Amino acid sequence: GAVVSQHPSWVICKSGTSVKIECRSLDFQATTMFWYRQFPKQSLMLMATSNEGSKATYEQGVEKDKFLINHASLTLSTLTVTSAHPEDSSFYICSALAGRGYEQYFGPGTRLTVT
Amino acid sequence: GENVEQHPSTLSVQEGDSAVIKCTYSDSASNYFPWYKQELGKRPQLIIDIRSNVGEKKDQRIAVTLNKTAKHFSLHITETQPEDSAVYFCAASISGTYKYIFGTGTRLKVLA
Repeated sequence: GAVVSQHPSWVICKSGTSVKIECRSLDFQATTMFWYRQFPKQSLMLMATSNEGSKATYEQGVEKDKFLINHASLTLSTLTVTSAHPEDSSFYICSALAGRGYEQYFGPGTRLTVT
Repeated sequence: GENVEQHPSTLSVQEGDSAVIKCTYSDSASNYFPWYKQELGKRPQLIIDIRSNVGEKKDQRIAVTLNKTAKHFSLHITETQPEDSAVYFCAASISGTYKYIFGTGTRLKVLA
């Protein structure tokens, strides 16, 4: 149980365009999901907390107008990278709380490359 | 702000030997400490966790110890196997939330 999926698994886009990444909890409802960013050979950096039915909470230094998060249902959160630039290229990973305490279950990640 | 330090950054061991990875956290109110294993390009997988009211937890070849007074916790892997090779991340919960701060990661190589 507690399976999280992400789509797409990888995406290449041109500079200036927007990209949407979906995070779904497949076998449970997740009122809270998290979005992380991971650069090569580095740790996971929390970008924002996504709460169903309310606005996302962004970590310090993360531009909320650039990284739009929507948590429209108990099984789906989306991250839209707006006006993408090459420096936005990274591995984006979501996680979800399964209502069993503190355990976060991670999606497989989305590799974004902006050319 | 809250911080988690992790050492070493790389660790090579011979197959069958033990591996130990150590983390130190700054928030004395942290109460949940998971360890994740991440293979290249894959999702982090939870391998073991410990809560602040427990000093040690073991699951087969993997164990975690927690010293709340010193604010550090360690991952112990015994009888290492080549498939244990991966990057391991520790994390600590941020008090009053379900958020984590992750350590910087340890790249473990188990040499056959």
